[in-house]
Amino acid sequence: TQLLEQSPQFLSIQEGENLTVYCNSSSVFSSLQWYRQEPGEGPVLLVTVVTGGEVKKLKRLTFQFGDARKDSSLHITAAQTGDTGLYLCAGRNTGNQFYFGTGTSLTVIP
Amino acid sequence: EAGVAQSPRYKIIEKRQSVAFWCNPISGHATLYWYQQILGQGPKLLIQFQNNGVVDDSQLPKDRFSAERLKGVDSTLKIQPAKLEDSAVYLCASSSQLTDTQYFGPGTRLTVL
Repeated sequence: TQLLEQSPQFLSIQEGENLTVYCNSSSVFSSLQWYRQEPGEGPVLLVTVVTGGEVKKLKRLTFQFGDARKDSSLHITAAQTGDTGLYLCAGRNTGNQFYFGTGTSLTVIP
Repeated sequence: EAGVAQSPRYKIIEKRQSVAFWCNPISGHATLYWYQQILGQGPKLLIQFQNNGVVDDSQLPKDRFSAERLKGVDSTLKIQPAKLEDSAVYLCASSSQLTDTQYFGPGTRLTVL
């Protein structure tokens, strides 16, 4: 099992604040994805990063893939209540197997 | 296009009973995944199908779990007999061969008493 550790596990912030979620592993991944999951629903893909050092921006969300392709971060600027949810990273290894991270539960307080 | 469908949405059983879950992937998606998600954790891959063949079932507890994807479309996941620790949400996802984007269904929440 290739473990993807996310930190923090829980995060509660005020609306308008910035935050960063980290996804770390000792394994190398050919690609890494970030998902958001809301209660009672399945995860929904936010972004896929494939190149070491790659940075992708999706409105207020910025995703970065580490140079060594072992870690990633998700930064949210000016958080909104609609950002509340469980954020999951998921890595695909060279054997085409998928592993999800441990998850970060974000609560944005109005 | 219609999303991934799963049924039932909720199931409550007693330990040692059997249970089955059904998944209908997005039309044309060759790859189908079953995940187990324990409350507060990330999903754990149980089995991955490519059409009707198994690609990866290394994390499937084969003494009690089984899955099939006859005709390469719908899939069923069975647990027999269930244990208390099987209480979780079982998620089904599918993807096409052109992209590794997985589309998830709403999941089946299983409670084993």
